[in-house]
Amino acid sequence: EAGVAQSPRYKIIEKRQSVAFWCNPISGHATLYWYQQILGQGPKLLIQFQNNGVVDDSQLPKDRFSAERLKGVDSTLKIQPAKLEDSAVYLCASSSLRYSYEQYFGPGTRLTVT
Amino acid sequence: AQSVSQHNHHVILSEAASLELGCNYSYGGTVNLFWYVQYPGQHLQLLLKYFSGDPLVKGIKGFEAEFIKSKFSFNLRKPSVQWSDTAEYFCAVKRTGNQFYFGTGTSLTVIP
Repeated sequence: EAGVAQSPRYKIIEKRQSVAFWCNPISGHATLYWYQQILGQGPKLLIQFQNNGVVDDSQLPKDRFSAERLKGVDSTLKIQPAKLEDSAVYLCASSSLRYSYEQYFGPGTRLTVT
Repeated sequence: AQSVSQHNHHVILSEAASLELGCNYSYGGTVNLFWYVQYPGQHLQLLLKYFSGDPLVKGIKGFEAEFIKSKFSFNLRKPSVQWSDTAEYFCAVKRTGNQFYFGTGTSLTVIP
């Protein structure tokens, strides 16, 4: 079974630039999560999708972050404009409806904002 | 504020030593509890989980955790660690609606 795919793996941008991350979950997984993991901290949930609908985006900074999962499969997370404090690893995870507790994580995208 | 607390940020042990990593949470109501592990260069992966029933749960690689409801704790244990257990360990709480909250993590280094 292929795992969760993410790209790019690394990204360096200047503040005020925009950036986008892509995630392809495990085939058949209805639930997709985006997390932000700042160095020295645990993952923080940004947004959770079930199919193409948003379940929870209460911790997403909506003034600069946006995410979509138009066809209920892959997803894109965008930051515009980026700030220095957005430097982090952005993790994507997915889970099935039947085993919603078991999240499978991707390798993450390490973002550095200079 | 509601949170998941991991008391030990960095732990260094010699091989064969016993391990206990603390985790406390402050959410009320029904919760599910998890420990995730991230080995160097690898993805986060599930180590063990607690939903209900026997409060002592066993996971992969000889790890176990005990849920103590009265203490809001879910500590991770292993009787004898190996060098290959060197990793970052995260405690997580799942509330209703599939909202997951992670602790800050504990970095474990096992010295051969």
